[in-house]
Amino acid sequence: IQVTQSPSSLSASIGDRVTITCRASQDIGNDLAWYQQRPGKAPKLLIYSASSLQSGVPSRFSGSGSGTDFTLTISSLQPEDSATYYCLQDYNYPQMFGQGTKVEFK
Amino acid sequence: EVQLLESGGGLVQPGGSLRLSCAASGFTFSAYAMTWVRLSPGKGLEWVAVVTGGGESTYYAHSVKGRFTISRDNSKNTLYLQMNSLRAEDTAVYYCANISPGDSVDYWGQGSLLTVSS
Repeated sequence: IQVTQSPSSLSASIGDRVTITCRASQDIGNDLAWYQQRPGKAPKLLIYSASSLQSGVPSRFSGSGSGTDFTLTISSLQPEDSATYYCLQDYNYPQMFGQGTKVEFK
Repeated sequence: EVQLLESGGGLVQPGGSLRLSCAASGFTFSAYAMTWVRLSPGKGLEWVAVVTGGGESTYYAHSVKGRFTISRDNSKNTLYLQMNSLRAEDTAVYYCANISPGDSVDYWGQGSLLTVSS
């Protein structure tokens, strides 16, 4: 199963609403997760099962979608959100990450 | 506290081999599938391989299938990744991970750098 993520990068301001999308090449139900990776750090799970917020993750992060189209939304961008975000299809093996979206500030 | 500690990275020539290890603690190692994920410079995250808790099943990314072998020793709480026929494009930070997103499981090591270069 291929996963296509867009955009590859974006530039936004503090407080902006940010949306990142992933599209799977076939129906994966809700078996999609979102990760955040800051430079020099291990990835961190933000959203699992397409829309469930991982414990300890701020509520400004949310996920939606099912089937083939999925979205990660940051409702009000904060300075600490500068990172690269990846989706991961965990529907079957081999699992696959999206290409990543680098979020930077204007 | 869950801890995953990778070791074994380094500089290898193209065509060479290397084995990464990951020592796990703080959880019942044999109860969990374990995964290797890599981050290549200038590229994104890539899921590499997974081995089930008992070691009976393994799965690989197409890019490494036939060259890499994932295994585990549950008596030593250790995960391995044997990498053969290494290529420049295998250069990456390799993460050992206990991840099962659907079960909200998310533990990662600090990463081990592999550089493939002549």
